[in-house]
Amino acid sequence: SAVISQKPSRDICQRGTSLTIQCQVDSQVTMMFWYRQQPGQSLTLIATANQGSEATYESGFVIDKFPISRPNLTFSTLTVSNMSPEDSSIYLCSVGTRSMNTEAFFGQGTRLTVV
Amino acid sequence: LAKTTQPISMDSYEGQEVNITCSHNNIATNDYITWYQQFPSQGPRFIIQGYKTKVTNEVASLFIPADRKSSTLSLPRVSLSDTAVYYCLVGDRGSGDKLTFGTGTRLAVRP
Repeated sequence: SAVISQKPSRDICQRGTSLTIQCQVDSQVTMMFWYRQQPGQSLTLIATANQGSEATYESGFVIDKFPISRPNLTFSTLTVSNMSPEDSSIYLCSVGTRSMNTEAFFGQGTRLTVV
Repeated sequence: LAKTTQPISMDSYEGQEVNITCSHNNIATNDYITWYQQFPSQGPRFIIQGYKTKVTNEVASLFIPADRKSSTLSLPRVSLSDTAVYYCLVGDRGSGDKLTFGTGTRLAVRP
């Protein structure tokens, strides 16, 4: 199994500012994933973060808005830039590797409110 | 990735068996069926995974008919703590663990 710690757990931010969310895993993993979950909705994949390469973004998400860092095999950050109230969501970090038999593990999420 | 369809919500009472069915008509040969559970203010948690027939673990059973176009998650004797959203996912285990979540089923267990 994998234990994932996300920081912060929640934050209230002013529009126009940026927030960086940290994701720490207790073991080395090849791929890390960032999801967004809007209020009452399902999860939507933002991007896949691989160590040593640029993140791969899903349709509708761009690097300028959601820059991602992946400096090593246990850590990643997601920045929500130039925030607006529409960015109010829960942001979740996830990991999964074939050695874990494809079971994916998720952090507790970061609840972001933009005012 | 195969699209999935589930009921939006279900209600049950404590002690009852709950069956949540998921339709995945265009499932591919290499696709597996996986269910996740999500409690409020938490990330999803893996429940069970299967390819065909029946799979059972300490939490649930997963029934998959021969044509694999649907699957049923069975929760025996639910309790209040089983109130959560349940997601059915279908995908290739070699797809790099990229998960596509559908709408999920919001299960409410009442006393």
